[in-house]
Amino acid sequence: QVQLQESGPGLVKPSETLSLTCAVSGYSISSGYYWGWIRQPPGKGLEWIGSIYHSGSTYYNPSLKSRVTISVDTSKNQFSLKLSSVTAADTAVYYCARDKSSGAVADWGQGTLVTVSS
Amino acid sequence: EIVMTQSPATLSVSPGERATLSCRASQSVSSNLAWYQQKPGQAPRLLIYGASTRATGIPARFSGSGSGTEFTLTISSLQSEDFAVYYCQQYNNWPFMYTFGQGTKLEIK
Repeated sequence: QVQLQESGPGLVKPSETLSLTCAVSGYSISSGYYWGWIRQPPGKGLEWIGSIYHSGSTYYNPSLKSRVTISVDTSKNQFSLKLSSVTAADTAVYYCARDKSSGAVADWGQGTLVTVSS
Repeated sequence: EIVMTQSPATLSVSPGERATLSCRASQSVSSNLAWYQQKPGQAPRLLIYGASTRATGIPARFSGSGSGTEFTLTISSLQSEDFAVYYCQQYNNWPFMYTFGQGTKLEIK
């Protein structure tokens, strides 16, 4: 059974870059599927940030595309999110997730709260 | 961008009764629609994909229907553990885009 675990700073200053990593266990990223990030501002709904295929192809939400980079490190079996020039509007719980090549997301990390504040 | 609209925002239902949640897409998404359940402090859980297929381990009281732009999630006999927020998600342009509805909060009447 796959497990996903997010890690990274819980506090980021405005204008800086938010960086998170998702460690995957129970499945080798290099074997396939799409790996992505979804966020949820406090008390609000879900927003897809972007995804990466195991081969490295990336797909980003057009509204965030200019600020987002998702990468994969198959040697460490993990993938990462970088979101630049953050503002308070980027404060959210960030989830990493696995999409088994269908579009529906069956596997989620527990989520990590990132607060943007000086 | 395809916009997903869920109704109602809040639904109050008594345990044992049926709950019907709606999701409308701004343009056709065929059957590329999923439903998720989210409880406080937890990650969402996939309930339904392909508009009507239950995910692994999901009880039969959960059912999905619809295609095109109109979708429904029905919970046939509400259990205490079913009170949560429910989201629909379209993936018609997968893997290029996914969008979620704003959610329906199902609360105990």
